[in-house]
Amino acid sequence: NAGVTQTPKFQVLKTGQSMTLQCAQDMNHNSMYWYRQDPGMGLRLIYYSASEGTTDKGEVPNGYNVSRLNKREFSLRLESAAPSQTSVYFCASSVAGQGANEQFFGPGTRLTVL
Amino acid sequence: AQSVTQLDSQVPVFEEAPVELRCNYSSSVSVYLFWYVQYPNQGLQLLLKYLSGSTLVKGINGFEAEFNKSQTSFHLRKPSVHISDTAEYFCAVSSLSGNQFYFGTGTSLTVIP
Repeated sequence: NAGVTQTPKFQVLKTGQSMTLQCAQDMNHNSMYWYRQDPGMGLRLIYYSASEGTTDKGEVPNGYNVSRLNKREFSLRLESAAPSQTSVYFCASSVAGQGANEQFFGPGTRLTVL
Repeated sequence: AQSVTQLDSQVPVFEEAPVELRCNYSSSVSVYLFWYVQYPNQGLQLLLKYLSGSTLVKGINGFEAEFNKSQTSFHLRKPSVHISDTAEYFCAVSSLSGNQFYFGTGTSLTVIP
């Protein structure tokens, strides 16, 4: 079991460029999440998908779009990157969206927008 | 809506000394509470969680936390820390349905030899 995998691990973009962060899980989980982590601000939820075919906005969705491609994969897209999107991005998954369930995290993607 | 406050951003402690990392939450409804740990350059992993029942929760690596409803707190403790406990620790709160999940800003624990 690889758990939650994310690609790429590092990325540098110029302002205005677009890119897609990929996430996949092999634990047959129903729910998946995208967070960003910034110094002094903890983790903030960008989008989540409670189940295949559904997505919902989290705390900081502006500037991002997501796609739940299938049960395994949940991608995050930046259409026009801005320096304010420089951050570490984490994907997570859980058995289901109920609050009691543990979230399993990927290793993160470090994104720098110049 | 819920929120989480971690009162200490950095906690230095000597090896084999006890440690307490503080977490307070605010919510008008019942919630679930979690502590996650993040080692350098890694993702987060669950230390322990409180769902219901006994207010003292034991987790991995010798950590425990106590839920105090009257003080809306969920402090994390360990009686004797090791160098390997050096990491970032996050408190988190979830609504019962799971559609709202919030992390605190984190506490950086540094264990000094």
